[in-house]
Amino acid sequence: DQQVKQNSPSLSVQEGRISILNCDYTNSMFDYFLWYKKYPAEGPTFLISISSIKDKNEDGRFTVFLNKSAKHLSLHIVPSQPGDSAVYFCAAIIGTSGSRLTFGEGTQLTVNP
Amino acid sequence: DGGITQSPKYLFRKEGQNVTLSCEQNLNHDAMYWYRQDPGQGLRLIYYSQIVNDFQKGDIAEGYSVSREKKESFPLTVTSAQKNPTAFYLCASSMRTGNTEAFFGQGTRLTVV
Repeated sequence: DQQVKQNSPSLSVQEGRISILNCDYTNSMFDYFLWYKKYPAEGPTFLISISSIKDKNEDGRFTVFLNKSAKHLSLHIVPSQPGDSAVYFCAAIIGTSGSRLTFGEGTQLTVNP
Repeated sequence: DGGITQSPKYLFRKEGQNVTLSCEQNLNHDAMYWYRQDPGQGLRLIYYSQIVNDFQKGDIAEGYSVSREKKESFPLTVTSAQKNPTAFYLCASSMRTGNTEAFFGQGTRLTVV
């Protein structure tokens, strides 16, 4: 039962253009969503998050949008840079004690110079 | 320098042998986690611990065991009962379960030959 899904295993964009990574979830109890970035042979690092009471959160070049009715979130990177090439994981959590992060499968982003 | 440390980075073992992966954190976090990453499957939770001397099975606990004798340490043993042990293993910690952000170690690549 995959509660968090990233349907695109890979995405390729040109440097300077927008990258849009998508994530869908099925559990309506999730109330916090996060994006992690991972380089090969390294641990994931936290990128940006959004609470379910918001529909948008922005941090520099990164913006996360949340559509609760569609159970969908997306990460926008503008402008994309070659250093953004990595695997991006979407994660969700119910913010109560005992709960833990549930991750999607990841999307490999490649930004071409 | 606060952080979470996994060792070793690469580990080779013969089939049928148990092997223990180390995870140490000095972030004073109560919660610790073990994930496994396989291509196309994202991060899957093996075990997690909310507090010292307590741990719970995650989604794929079969063939693994853990202990949490100290707050700082959460070692994972991959036993001979684990059918496909070759993978990239990631340890993480957070202030508590249900906390919205987890910090990851650099990972251990285990190869069983």
